[in-house]
Amino acid sequence: DAGITQSPRHKVTETGTPVTLRCHQTENHRYMYWYRQDPGHGLRLIHYSYGVKDTDKGEVSDGYSVSRSKTEDFLLTLESATSSQTSVYFCAISDYMTGIGFEQYFGPGTRLTVT
Amino acid sequence: KNEVEQSPQNLTAQEGEFITINCSYSVGISALHWLQQHPGGGIVSLFMLSSGKKKHGRLIATINIQEKHSSLHITASHPRDSAVYICAVWERISGTYKYIFGTGTRLKVLA
Repeated sequence: DAGITQSPRHKVTETGTPVTLRCHQTENHRYMYWYRQDPGHGLRLIHYSYGVKDTDKGEVSDGYSVSRSKTEDFLLTLESATSSQTSVYFCAISDYMTGIGFEQYFGPGTRLTVT
Repeated sequence: KNEVEQSPQNLTAQEGEFITINCSYSVGISALHWLQQHPGGGIVSLFMLSSGKKKHGRLIATINIQEKHSSLHITASHPRDSAVYICAVWERISGTYKYIFGTGTRLKVLA
């Protein structure tokens, strides 16, 4: 299994509070991703990173920010959590595979509940 | 209409049955990915393919690029195969990749 950990694994927080989720990898992969998974929607990309300090938005980036100061860590921050951000958050990593795309490896997920 | 559609959404089978899960997509792709999500939530990569067929143990994945369709087959199904199976496609647009997920097929295999 790829070495990916997420912390915390579970969190309950109140509306309006800031929350930071951490993804840590030991694979030295260049790309890191944050997804959210909600019933009926499948996995949706929030933000991704293609290198240290290099990040870009995904399809559901509003209300989220990210930072990557080291290859191994990718942080997802909810500046002011809302109930609509209650979800399961997955981190993934990948390295370039010539020709056909990027096989991704997923972390165990973080279940976030905003009350 | 979703860009990636899976069928069926839910499937219950008896142990030993041959199972087929389908994935159809409407975008031009460079690769298609089959993933398995365990009941505990963990996601595992099964196959990544851009043409033809791949086999791993009791799992077989096929893709028909012209028809924009892929199938995942499970032979001699077992209760431990119970999981959600997710299809995802890589769409390349102007040099950048977009990764699009289906909503998954929930499989339950009964002993």
